[in-house]
Amino acid sequence: LAKTTQPISMDSYEGQEVNITCSHNNIATNDYITWYQQFPSQGPRFIIQGYKTKVTNEVASLFIPADRKSSTLSLPRVSLSDTAVYYCLVGDRADNQGGKLIFGQGTELSVKP
Amino acid sequence: EAQVTQNPRYLITVTGKKLTVTCSQNMNHEYMSWYRQDPGLGLRQIYYSMNVEVTDKGDVPEGYKVSRKEKRNFPLILESPSPNQTSLYFCASSLGQGSRREQYFGPGTRLTVT
Repeated sequence: LAKTTQPISMDSYEGQEVNITCSHNNIATNDYITWYQQFPSQGPRFIIQGYKTKVTNEVASLFIPADRKSSTLSLPRVSLSDTAVYYCLVGDRADNQGGKLIFGQGTELSVKP
Repeated sequence: EAQVTQNPRYLITVTGKKLTVTCSQNMNHEYMSWYRQDPGLGLRQIYYSMNVEVTDKGDVPEGYKVSRKEKRNFPLILESPSPNQTSLYFCASSLGQGSRREQYFGPGTRLTVT
């Protein structure tokens, strides 16, 4: 069974860059790595996705090393509104059909003024 | 508006009383999935469905049932709820299966079993 590992919590201050790393040692060759953001009392929502190297969108960047056994979500210049739980997601390597999805435990990011 | 809806949003019940949590999506998505969220454990997949009449177990299927008779609906059934099923439940859908597909989540259903 694939497993992902993330830090449970992180603290930051407004304006700083935050990097959250997820470990996914058993990632399958055809798997993508996706990150989600969740605010209290809401469902998770998609932030960014990548397969290898670096991906950037208007919200974040995602860095994936060549061996793809980990990934790092980078949030530039965080604000108070970035306080949320962040999850990484990969597929289950043992599931050839792609139905099983594995979320990490989530990283609770707290941004302080 | 494209969305995933769940009902009820909050439910308090007693041990052994059968209940159903409904999930519906209006995006014509093939793939639907149920998760439970518990402190320190993150999101764990209960069941998923890759299309109508096609369902399979996720990580924590014990004590749950699902059905997929229509493409838009994917109800979660607890035949005999127990206190350890007290949790926050999310339904999600996507255009297809696999980690590449963006998951769209419902607002969640907070279930308490006493």
